[in-house]
Amino acid sequence: GNSVTQMEGPVTLSEEAFLTINCTYTATGYPSLFWYVQYPGEGLQLLLKATKADDKGSNKGFEATYRKETTSFHLEKGSVQVSDSAVYFCALSVQAGTALIFGKGTTLSVSS
Amino acid sequence: KAGVTQTPRYLIKTRGQQVTLSCSPISGHRSVSWYQQTPGQGLQFLFEYFSETQRNKGNFPGRFSGRQFSNSRSEMNVSTLELGDSALYLCASSLGGQGSETQYFGPGTRLLVL
Repeated sequence: GNSVTQMEGPVTLSEEAFLTINCTYTATGYPSLFWYVQYPGEGLQLLLKATKADDKGSNKGFEATYRKETTSFHLEKGSVQVSDSAVYFCALSVQAGTALIFGKGTTLSVSS
Repeated sequence: KAGVTQTPRYLIKTRGQQVTLSCSPISGHRSVSWYQQTPGQGLQFLFEYFSETQRNKGNFPGRFSGRQFSNSRSEMNVSTLELGDSALYLCASSLGGQGSETQYFGPGTRLLVL
């Protein structure tokens, strides 16, 4: 079946540190890959996405590359800010439908 | 453009009752999906509606049902509530319901079952 595995949190960083959150997937066919972010008390917001192998999604300094050979979509940011503190979810969607399959989420806490 | 709206935002019910949650998608979006978020199980897909038809369904019991109206607004119903149904219920809309499309989420309805 289709599934997403992402690193367990919480991840605690100081401001301006480098961030990596690992995400690997298992899927039949050719999924689209997403990173969503959830701030406290809010719904999910799309952070970035990639729809085919070797695509790089980027937004707000975050980026992730769709690696078919390693079935990975790791999230990176060169310099985190306190405002980046949130829960990050890796997700996939198989082309035939819109059902998103999510990882468990990784809580990021950034201190000044 | 207004975002996805969900009502009510908070709800308290007792076991055995039923509940109806509402979702209004972004104008022009025809696909509406529902998700349940709990600390233990994370985010799980419930079902998706497109043009008033249920197109996909997750692995939830028949107590969970939904429908979509001609204006794309959607409702979700849970009958015979159980304590384990306490969760944040999120609705998401997308334009045409393709897997590669971005889904836009509402703020959610937090349901507490006592």
